[in-house]
Amino acid sequence: EIVLTQSPGTLSLSPGERATLSCRASQSISNNYLAWYQQKPGQAPRLLIYGASSRATGIPDRFSGSGSGTDFTLTISSLEPEDFAVYYCQHYGNSRRWTFGQGTKVEIK
Amino acid sequence: EVPLVESGGGLVQPGGSLRLSCAASGFTFSLYAMNWVRQAPGKGLEWVSGISETGDDTNYADSVQGRFTISRDNSKNTLYLQMNSLRADDTAVYYCAKGIYHSDYWGQGTLVTVSS
Repeated sequence: EIVLTQSPGTLSLSPGERATLSCRASQSISNNYLAWYQQKPGQAPRLLIYGASSRATGIPDRFSGSGSGTDFTLTISSLEPEDFAVYYCQHYGNSRRWTFGQGTKVEIK
Repeated sequence: EVPLVESGGGLVQPGGSLRLSCAASGFTFSLYAMNWVRQAPGKGLEWVSGISETGDDTNYADSVQGRFTISRDNSKNTLYLQMNSLRADDTAVYYCAKGIYHSDYWGQGTLVTVSS
C-alpha cells in the first residue's frame, strides 16, 4: 500500500508570499492519479489539482501542481487571505482505493 | 443546487448500526463511481469505501472491511453506507464523493458519533 507523506505539517506565511507544499509517495505513482484538495474549517474538501498538474474548474491560476514519480508539489504563487487552509494530496491506487496524505496547514504568520 | 446531500448520521452506541444515504442531483449519477470518505474530529481525511458505476465492484478500507457495506440505487440516484458493529473510532464526519480517480463533487458531510 502506498503511503503519502506531506511536508511541512504547518506552513506559516504572510499574504502575498509563495507557498510550496510537498507530497512524497512511498513508491512511484502515475501522475494521472495524484490530486490536491483544499479544506477550510467546517467545509468539505475542494478539488484544486488533478493529474498532478491540471487545475480543476474555477481554480485560480495562482495554484499550480508539479512533480512525478514519488515527489509532487503544490505551489500557491501569492497567498490570498482565503488560501489559509489545510491542503491534502490524494492518490488513486489498486482496487479503486484512495490514499490521502496527512495534510499541510497553511496559517497566517 | 447542491449535487450531493448526505443524511442518516447521528449518535449510536458501540456495537450499533447506522445507514447513511447520499442523494445525488445535477449529474448523471449512474455514470460515475462513488466513494465514502470520513474525517475524525480534528484529524485528516480517510477513504472508507468505493463503488463502481453499476455497483458490481466494491472496495473497502481495512479498518471497515467486514463491518461496512456500500451500495447504490441508480434508479433513485442514491448512494448508501450500511455501518454495523460500530466502534468509538468510527466517530467522524462522513462525506460522499463523486468520481473514480479524484472527486470534484463532495457532499457537506454527516456526523456519526459512536458513544455510550
